[in-house]
Amino acid sequence: GAVVSQHPSWVICKSGTSVKIECRSLDFQATTMFWYRQFPKQSLMLMATSNEGSKATYEQGVEKDKFLINHASLTLSTLTVTSAHPEDSSFYICSARDSTPSYNSPLHFGNGTRLTVT
Amino acid sequence: GIQVEQSPPDLILQEGANSTLRCNFSDSVNNLQWFHQNPWGQLINLFYIPSGTKQNGRLSATTVATERYSLLYISSSQTTDSGVYFCGTDSWGKLQFGAGTQVVVTP
Repeated sequence: GAVVSQHPSWVICKSGTSVKIECRSLDFQATTMFWYRQFPKQSLMLMATSNEGSKATYEQGVEKDKFLINHASLTLSTLTVTSAHPEDSSFYICSARDSTPSYNSPLHFGNGTRLTVT
Repeated sequence: GIQVEQSPPDLILQEGANSTLRCNFSDSVNNLQWFHQNPWGQLINLFYIPSGTKQNGRLSATTVATERYSLLYISSSQTTDSGVYFCGTDSWGKLQFGAGTQVVVTP
Protein backbone atom coordinates (compact mmCIF):
# COMPACT_ATOMS: atom_id res chain seq x y z
CA GLY A 1 0.00 0.00 0.00
CA ALA A 2 0.89 3.64 -0.29
CA VAL A 3 3.39 4.80 2.31
CA VAL A 4 4.14 8.32 3.45
CA SER A 5 7.33 8.74 5.42
CA GLN A 6 7.83 11.74 7.70
CA HIS A 7 11.06 12.76 9.38
CA PRO A 8 11.98 13.50 12.09
CA SER A 9 9.39 11.88 14.35
CA TRP A 10 10.22 14.28 17.14
CA VAL A 11 12.43 17.34 17.55
CA ILE A 12 13.30 19.70 20.37
CA CYS A 13 14.70 23.09 19.47
CA LYS A 14 15.47 26.38 21.11
CA SER A 15 13.34 29.43 20.62
CA GLY A 16 14.42 31.44 17.60
CA THR A 17 15.82 28.55 15.61
CA SER A 18 14.33 26.97 12.49
CA VAL A 19 13.23 23.39 12.06
CA LYS A 20 12.72 21.47 8.84
CA ILE A 21 10.32 18.55 8.54
CA GLU A 22 10.39 16.22 5.55
CA CYS A 23 7.51 14.32 4.03
CA ARG A 24 8.13 11.68 1.38
CA SER A 25 5.82 9.49 -0.63
CA LEU A 26 7.74 6.24 -0.87
CA ASP A 27 5.96 4.24 -3.52
CA PHE A 28 3.85 6.74 -5.41
CA GLN A 29 4.05 10.21 -6.85
CA ALA A 30 2.18 13.10 -5.31
CA THR A 31 1.73 16.40 -7.08
CA THR A 32 -0.05 17.64 -3.98
CA MET A 33 0.70 17.10 -0.31
CA PHE A 34 -1.08 18.50 2.72
CA TRP A 35 0.30 19.70 6.04
CA TYR A 36 -1.74 19.51 9.22
CA ARG A 37 -1.15 20.66 12.77
CA GLN A 38 -2.66 19.15 15.88
CA PHE A 39 -2.59 20.66 19.36
CA PRO A 40 -3.13 18.39 22.38
CA LYS A 41 -6.66 17.09 22.76
CA GLN A 42 -7.71 18.78 19.53
CA SER A 43 -8.45 17.76 15.98
CA LEU A 44 -6.17 18.04 12.98
CA MET A 45 -6.25 21.42 11.31
CA LEU A 46 -5.17 21.86 7.72
CA MET A 47 -2.35 24.37 7.46
CA ALA A 48 -1.44 24.38 3.80
CA THR A 49 -1.48 22.57 0.50
CA SER A 50 1.91 21.87 -0.99
CA ASN A 51 1.99 21.91 -4.80
CA GLU A 52 4.86 20.38 -6.74
CA GLY A 53 6.64 23.00 -8.79
CA SER A 54 4.57 25.93 -7.57
CA LYS A 55 3.77 27.93 -4.48
CA ALA A 56 1.95 26.41 -1.57
CA THR A 57 -1.52 27.62 -0.69
CA TYR A 58 -2.13 28.42 2.95
CA GLU A 59 -5.30 28.22 4.98
CA GLN A 60 -6.68 31.34 6.55
CA GLY A 61 -4.73 32.40 9.61
CA VAL A 62 -1.56 30.46 8.78
CA GLU A 63 1.50 32.65 8.33
CA LYS A 64 3.27 31.70 5.12
CA ASP A 65 6.49 33.43 6.16
CA LYS A 66 6.48 31.43 9.37
CA PHE A 67 5.77 28.07 7.82
CA LEU A 68 7.79 27.72 4.64
CA ILE A 69 6.76 24.92 2.34
CA ASN A 70 8.78 23.56 -0.54
CA HIS A 71 7.62 20.78 -2.85
CA ALA A 72 10.64 20.30 -5.06
CA SER A 73 9.83 16.88 -6.46
CA LEU A 74 6.90 14.52 -6.91
CA THR A 75 7.91 12.59 -3.80
CA LEU A 76 9.15 15.22 -1.35
CA SER A 77 7.62 18.15 0.47
CA THR A 78 9.28 20.02 3.31
CA LEU A 79 7.85 22.25 6.01
CA THR A 80 10.22 24.66 7.71
CA VAL A 81 9.11 26.33 10.91
CA THR A 82 11.12 29.54 10.96
CA SER A 83 12.14 31.38 14.11
CA ALA A 84 10.24 28.88 16.20
CA HIS A 85 8.60 29.96 19.44
CA PRO A 86 7.07 27.89 22.24
CA GLU A 87 3.57 28.48 20.83
CA ASP A 88 4.67 26.62 17.68
CA SER A 89 5.09 23.46 19.74
CA SER A 90 2.65 21.01 18.25
CA PHE A 91 2.22 17.78 16.33
CA TYR A 92 2.73 18.29 12.59
CA ILE A 93 1.55 15.63 10.16
CA CYS A 94 1.69 15.45 6.39
CA SER A 95 -0.43 13.56 3.93
CA ALA A 96 -0.58 12.75 0.26
CA ARG A 97 -2.64 10.86 -2.27
CA ASP A 98 -1.46 9.13 -5.38
CA SER A 99 -1.57 11.66 -8.20
CA THR A 100 -3.51 9.29 -10.39
CA PRO A 101 -6.35 9.06 -9.65
CA SER A 102 -6.71 12.50 -8.12
CA TYR A 103 -9.52 13.47 -5.81
CA ASN A 104 -11.32 10.15 -5.63
CA SER A 105 -8.71 8.26 -3.67
CA PRO A 106 -7.74 8.08 -0.02
CA LEU A 107 -5.23 10.34 1.69
CA HIS A 108 -2.26 8.60 3.25
CA PHE A 109 -0.65 10.10 6.33
CA GLY A 110 2.85 10.18 7.70
CA ASN A 111 3.49 9.29 11.32
CA GLY A 112 3.81 12.91 12.35
CA THR A 113 6.48 15.09 13.93
CA ARG A 114 6.23 16.24 17.50
CA LEU A 115 7.89 19.64 17.78
CA THR A 116 8.81 21.08 21.15
CA VAL A 117 10.24 24.59 21.28
CA THR A 118 11.99 25.50 24.53
CA GLY B 1 -15.55 24.77 3.48
CA ILE B 2 -17.24 21.59 4.54
CA GLN B 3 -18.34 21.35 8.17
CA VAL B 4 -17.79 17.98 9.82
CA GLU B 5 -19.48 17.03 13.07
CA GLN B 6 -18.79 13.89 15.05
CA SER B 7 -20.78 12.36 17.84
CA PRO B 8 -20.56 11.44 20.59
CA PRO B 9 -17.46 13.39 21.71
CA ASP B 10 -16.65 10.75 24.32
CA LEU B 11 -17.55 7.12 24.69
CA ILE B 12 -16.77 4.69 27.49
CA LEU B 13 -17.33 1.05 26.72
CA GLN B 14 -16.95 -2.16 28.59
CA GLU B 15 -14.91 -4.75 26.76
CA GLY B 16 -17.15 -6.79 24.50
CA ALA B 17 -19.72 -4.07 23.92
CA ASN B 18 -20.79 -2.72 20.55
CA SER B 19 -20.91 0.95 19.61
CA THR B 20 -21.73 3.33 16.79
CA LEU B 21 -19.90 6.55 15.99
CA ARG B 22 -21.46 9.14 13.73
CA CYS B 23 -20.06 11.68 11.30
CA ASN B 24 -22.29 14.36 9.73
CA PHE B 25 -21.05 16.58 6.95
CA SER B 26 -22.50 19.72 5.45
CA ASP B 27 -22.02 19.21 1.71
CA SER B 28 -21.59 16.54 -0.93
CA VAL B 29 -18.18 14.91 -0.80
CA ASN B 30 -15.76 13.02 -3.01
CA ASN B 31 -13.90 11.49 -0.14
CA LEU B 32 -14.70 10.25 3.34
CA GLN B 33 -12.25 8.45 5.55
CA TRP B 34 -12.33 7.07 9.07
CA PHE B 35 -9.14 7.03 11.14
CA HIS B 36 -8.03 5.76 14.50
CA GLN B 37 -5.34 7.83 16.19
CA ASN B 38 -3.23 5.80 18.57
CA PRO B 39 -1.54 7.17 21.71
CA TRP B 40 1.62 7.96 19.73
CA GLY B 41 -0.33 10.16 17.34
CA GLN B 42 -0.21 7.81 14.40
CA LEU B 43 -3.28 7.97 12.19
CA ILE B 44 -4.43 4.52 11.18
CA ASN B 45 -6.56 4.59 8.07
CA LEU B 46 -9.62 2.45 8.82
CA PHE B 47 -11.89 3.04 5.85
CA TYR B 48 -12.02 5.01 2.66
CA ILE B 49 -15.79 5.13 2.19
CA PRO B 50 -17.34 8.00 0.22
CA SER B 51 -20.46 5.84 -0.13
CA GLY B 52 -21.76 2.37 0.64
CA THR B 53 -20.76 -0.13 3.30
CA LYS B 54 -17.46 -1.80 4.10
CA GLN B 55 -16.34 -4.22 6.74
CA ASN B 56 -12.93 -5.06 8.13
CA GLY B 57 -12.97 -7.55 10.96
CA ARG B 58 -14.84 -6.16 13.93
CA LEU B 59 -15.16 -2.75 12.30
CA SER B 60 -17.58 -1.70 9.64
CA ALA B 61 -18.64 1.60 8.16
CA THR B 62 -21.58 2.92 6.20
CA THR B 63 -21.84 6.21 4.36
CA VAL B 64 -25.15 7.53 3.09
CA ALA B 65 -23.90 10.29 0.85
CA THR B 66 -27.36 11.58 -0.09
CA GLU B 67 -28.13 12.18 3.58
CA ARG B 68 -24.63 13.41 4.41
CA TYR B 69 -23.63 11.11 7.19
CA SER B 70 -21.38 8.17 7.89
CA LEU B 71 -21.40 5.63 10.69
CA LEU B 72 -18.55 3.59 12.14
CA TYR B 73 -19.50 0.42 13.98
CA ILE B 74 -17.26 -1.23 16.51
CA SER B 75 -18.37 -4.69 17.54
CA SER B 76 -17.08 -6.77 20.44
CA SER B 77 -14.84 -3.91 21.53
CA GLN B 78 -11.38 -4.59 22.92
CA THR B 79 -9.10 -2.44 25.04
CA THR B 80 -6.88 -1.93 21.99
CA ASP B 81 -9.78 -0.11 20.36
CA SER B 82 -9.23 2.79 22.76
CA GLY B 83 -8.13 6.05 21.21
CA VAL B 84 -9.57 8.86 19.17
CA TYR B 85 -11.58 8.17 16.06
CA PHE B 86 -11.71 10.85 13.39
CA CYS B 87 -13.68 11.15 10.23
CA GLY B 88 -12.44 13.36 7.45
CA THR B 89 -14.21 14.54 4.33
CA ASP B 90 -13.46 16.67 1.33
CA SER B 91 -14.99 17.73 -1.92
CA TRP B 92 -11.95 19.08 -3.72
CA GLY B 93 -8.92 17.34 -2.30
CA LYS B 94 -8.52 19.06 1.08
CA LEU B 95 -9.55 16.71 3.84
CA GLN B 96 -11.29 18.41 6.77
CA PHE B 97 -11.57 16.60 10.06
CA GLY B 98 -14.27 16.40 12.66
CA ALA B 99 -13.45 16.97 16.31
CA GLY B 100 -13.15 13.25 16.94
CA THR B 101 -14.67 10.74 19.32
CA GLN B 102 -12.54 9.72 22.30
CA VAL B 103 -13.18 6.05 22.97
CA VAL B 104 -12.14 4.31 26.16
CA VAL B 105 -12.67 0.56 26.42
CA THR B 106 -12.42 -0.77 29.94
CA PRO B 107 -11.55 -4.38 30.79
